[in-house]
Amino acid sequence: QMRLVQSGPEVAEPGTSVRVSCKTSQFTFGNSAVQWVRQTRGHRLEWIGWVVLVTGNTDYAQKFQERLTITRDMSTTTVYMELSSLRSEDTAVYYCAAKLGASTAFDIWGQGTMVTVSS
Amino acid sequence: SYELTQPPSVSVSPGQTARITCSGDALPKKYAYWYQQKSGQAPVLVIYEDNKRPSGIPERFSGSSSGTMATLTVSGAQVEDEADYYCYSTDSNGKGVFGTGTEVTVL
Repeated sequence: QMRLVQSGPEVAEPGTSVRVSCKTSQFTFGNSAVQWVRQTRGHRLEWIGWVVLVTGNTDYAQKFQERLTITRDMSTTTVYMELSSLRSEDTAVYYCAAKLGASTAFDIWGQGTMVTVSS
Repeated sequence: SYELTQPPSVSVSPGQTARITCSGDALPKKYAYWYQQKSGQAPVLVIYEDNKRPSGIPERFSGSSSGTMATLTVSGAQVEDEADYYCYSTDSNGKGVFGTGTEVTVL
């Protein structure tokens, strides 16, 4: 059973960047992908973007296009989400979630990483 | 931008049926997925591809989709089903979108 383990909480100043990692217990080829989702306090889930593991191809939500980078490291089976030009509104819990092989469902989730943007 | 609209809240008595709707223009051509999220926890998939139930999800959870509306039904709701529920789909460009979320109360 694949597991996702995310890095610990982060505190970052406005205007800086933060990188959150998502360690997978295994990579499965084909159409496996990892997406990132965030949730501000008391608010809905928000889709950020995803990466196809075998190709590294990415797709981002329009609102994050200018300051988001999602990458993966095949050697360590880790996916990274980096968000730059941080502002207070980026304070949220960030989740990674995976779908394996031919599955269309993101059914494996990490535990979440709290990112706080504050001066 | 593309929106998936859900009712803010649904309230049922234990044993009754809860129905949560999700409205979106692309749903006739895109699958709907449903997630349950309890306070302080990561979301859990309860329905995928409109009406399929992952292993381990109770049979009281079912899904359907018709036209621009997808529906999650909890038949015989239990107190432990109290949670926020989110529909999820993709837009015409293949980008992910979550619904506005529905708080389900069972009391």
